[in-house]
Amino acid sequence: AIQMTQSPSSLSASVGDRVTITCRASQGIRNDLGWYQQKPGKAPKLLIYAASSLQSGVPSRFSGSGSGTDFTLTISSLQPEDFATYFCLQDYSYPWTFGPGTKVEIK
Amino acid sequence: EVQLLESGGGLVQPGGSLRLSCAASGFTFSNYAMSWVRQAPGKGLEWVSAISGSGATTPYADSVKGRFTISRDNSKNTLYLQMNSLRAEDTAVYYCAKDLQGIALAGEFHSWGQGTLVTVSS
Repeated sequence: AIQMTQSPSSLSASVGDRVTITCRASQGIRNDLGWYQQKPGKAPKLLIYAASSLQSGVPSRFSGSGSGTDFTLTISSLQPEDFATYFCLQDYSYPWTFGPGTKVEIK
Repeated sequence: EVQLLESGGGLVQPGGSLRLSCAASGFTFSNYAMSWVRQAPGKGLEWVSAISGSGATTPYADSVKGRFTISRDNSKNTLYLQMNSLRAEDTAVYYCAKDLQGIALAGEFHSWGQGTLVTVSS
């Protein structure tokens, strides 16, 4: 199975900060990667699919990049509603695997 | 509006069985692949299984292969997960999720249910 790692596991940031989260795959996955946001007690929400495609309705401050093994989710200007946990998911090969998550907390 | 409503969770003893259901509305159910994703208390997300729109393709996570069976009834707009030989480590909130694109499996989970809690304990 493809292993997904994320860094950092958590971070503290202020409103207005630029935030970058990295996801790395144990082998190449082309651009078959998505990013999800999850708030406590809620279902995850799709932000980015195919590594860099912004899901409809998601604010443009969110962006994704990368291909192969290294991927990045960037929040250009952190907003209060962005404090949450972020997960990446590879859907290149079965079993599809999630990264362990990055918790974004208020500084 | 897409709606996914899971049911069937509860407390079950180790070795027992449970069937989860996910009632779908607001879209043409047979045109979309579906998945089950779970989350153990305080832990991350784990993809469990998926099923194509026709039901012909059904991959599984290694942790559930041979114990869980995913299925769908397109006439009833309902997704199922039959869980047998349950273990303590299967304790989790189970979400059903709708693929973004269509019939084929893509792993882009556009819509999610609210989840149903499965607790495996004696």
